[in-house]
Amino acid sequence: AQSVTQLGSHVSVSEGALVLLRCNYSSSVPPYLFWYVQYPNQGLQLLLKYTSAATLVKGINGFEAEFKKSETSFHLTKPSAHMSDAAEYFCALTKHTGNQFYFGTGTSLTVIP
Amino acid sequence: DVKVTQSSRYLVKRTGEKVFLECVQDMDHENMFWYRQDPGLGLRLIYFSYDVKMKEKGDIPEGYSVSREKKERFSLILESASTNQTSMYLCASSLPGDTDTQYFGPGTRLTVL
Repeated sequence: AQSVTQLGSHVSVSEGALVLLRCNYSSSVPPYLFWYVQYPNQGLQLLLKYTSAATLVKGINGFEAEFKKSETSFHLTKPSAHMSDAAEYFCALTKHTGNQFYFGTGTSLTVIP
Repeated sequence: DVKVTQSSRYLVKRTGEKVFLECVQDMDHENMFWYRQDPGLGLRLIYFSYDVKMKEKGDIPEGYSVSREKKERFSLILESASTNQTSMYLCASSLPGDTDTQYFGPGTRLTVL
């Protein structure tokens, strides 16, 4: 069975602080993993994806994620939070059947000035 | 530039009405998806389509149907709207590979009174 778990439905950080959003997965096949961001009243936008090449993946807006097979994790990080990073973040795992995704329940990031 | 558009950003309907949500993509993508997004539940797949006139049930198809008469257009139909279908509806499209990105529209916030 495949699934995605996002730990922490709400995360608050101070402006300039490290952002860490957690995603753990369960998959019986090699996973392909994605992080999306959703700004208020908008659709989802791809931040980055892991497709079995480099385990450290760099995305847009200074975000990156590291695939750790031993920990079944794909946590999203950014060294220094900006106010514009306030949004909801979703981790997703492909089902390996025609590009269907499993989505996590999302993490809402608040950036405190 | 990639574009997925949805016919309405906000929609208010009454219980029992038939509701049509339209999605159009201009990227010649084979796959199209309809999700609903609810707080704390993330994105849940309603229906998807791999090609014109093809459709597959997702995780929560009850109370919904879909139509795909042209490659670029995927319609979600609520045959008889109910209050528990009040939600944000998101359309996405993609190429068919497992590592392909799903591109999302801006969403339709539907309220059923």
